[in-house]
Amino acid sequence: DTEVTQTPKHLVMGMTNKKSLKCEQHMGHRAMYWYKQKAKKPPELMFVYSYEKLSINESVPSRFSPECPNSSLLNLHLHALQPEDSALYLCASSSSGSGGGETQYFGPGTRLLVL
Amino acid sequence: QKEVEQDPGPLSVPEGAIVSLNCTYSNSAFQYFMWYRQYSRKGPELLMYTYSSGNKEDGRFTAQVDKSSKYISLFIRDSQPSDSATYLCAMSAGRGTGFQKLVFGTGTRLLVSP
Repeated sequence: DTEVTQTPKHLVMGMTNKKSLKCEQHMGHRAMYWYKQKAKKPPELMFVYSYEKLSINESVPSRFSPECPNSSLLNLHLHALQPEDSALYLCASSSSGSGGGETQYFGPGTRLLVL
Repeated sequence: QKEVEQDPGPLSVPEGAIVSLNCTYSNSAFQYFMWYRQYSRKGPELLMYTYSSGNKEDGRFTAQVDKSSKYISLFIRDSQPSDSATYLCAMSAGRGTGFQKLVFGTGTRLLVSP
């Protein structure tokens, strides 16, 4: 089973709201990723967790706060977002997070609209 | 110059046609090459994974890598309307020092008409 699940599927929030995106995988993968994808663009890497530790932060603004409670779960906490943050947020996982050719499996994404 | 170049399309073909999707890249350190299919408003789905140069076939799909030309291709035989999607190439360098992230092409939108 190569399934990564994400909730919610859709989210509308105001600029003063706080919300969280959730991601779960049960493939025994030890690396999990957050990507942001704008329309007609490829996914852009935001964060990488490897063995539950944050290993990569691609200079993402602090209004995005990732959390990895355990090896199967990944959260993205959102606070004081801007309308330009509206996008499809994708979670992915891979076996160890060393990169270098590891296959990444993506979830269906959360479509976020910031008003 | 982008590290990975991919024609955004759209590429429109009739059902049953052979489709050729391509990417070129500039980083000679890339060794791992992937093709993802992404339907509208969904996450990318891994289609093909290739290491180094050569061909790989899976059903109607064939992936080719030519490292000497820094060129990769995905061929779809007997294309179906259900193949209509955006196809993203992605590649990464080998396990060296530090994290080697996936570098994506911009994606080619394919439309297969009945």
